[in-house]
Amino acid sequence: EVQLVESGGGLVQPGGSLRLSCAASGFTVSSNYMSWVRQAPGKGLEWVSVIYSGGSTYYADSVKGRFTISRDNSKNTLYLQMNSLRAEDTAVYYCARAPKSWGQGTLVTVSS
Amino acid sequence: DIQMTQSPSSLSASVGDRVTITCRASQGISNSLAWYQQKPGKAPKLLLYAASRLESGVPSRFSGSGSGTDYTLTISSLQPEDFATYYCQQYYSTVWTFGQGTKVEIK
Repeated sequence: EVQLVESGGGLVQPGGSLRLSCAASGFTVSSNYMSWVRQAPGKGLEWVSVIYSGGSTYYADSVKGRFTISRDNSKNTLYLQMNSLRAEDTAVYYCARAPKSWGQGTLVTVSS
Repeated sequence: DIQMTQSPSSLSASVGDRVTITCRASQGISNSLAWYQQKPGKAPKLLLYAASRLESGVPSRFSGSGSGTDYTLTISSLQPEDFATYYCQQYYSTVWTFGQGTKVEIK
């Protein structure tokens, strides 16, 4: 059974950093397109980043230069390193085995 | 980046109604389009991919069509469990984008 479990969310001050993790089971992260999608409270879905099976990475303009997507093949885990966080980064962050399987999401709140 | 314009932003419909949601891309996306359903507090659920391919386990009342820049999600006979928000997403370019969503409410 395919399962994705996000962790690492929480409250962080503006300008701070946070690393989200997404532990996968039932499939191999490195063989799939893996993405992060976020949803601000009461808003729609916003695509954040993708890492292709070959290792290429791409980002939304809103996070480029601040966020880094990566994976640890030995742990079958996807990561999102988030730096220079802003209030507008407050959202539920979902990891996905694009496009079919999604995690339950983890809440990131950026506030002083 | 490719912009996805979804319409309408909301609609009211009754059980049994035929519902159509459209998604227009700012440039051609060669059927690289997915449709998702999201219910409050839940993760999105994939309905269709490659514009018209039904995900396993999704009821056949959901269908997708289109080409080039214009795509459509159709629910042939709306059921109570279909009241939700629907999103399109293009994955043609290296920067993926979602439509703004369509909330389907009970009339």
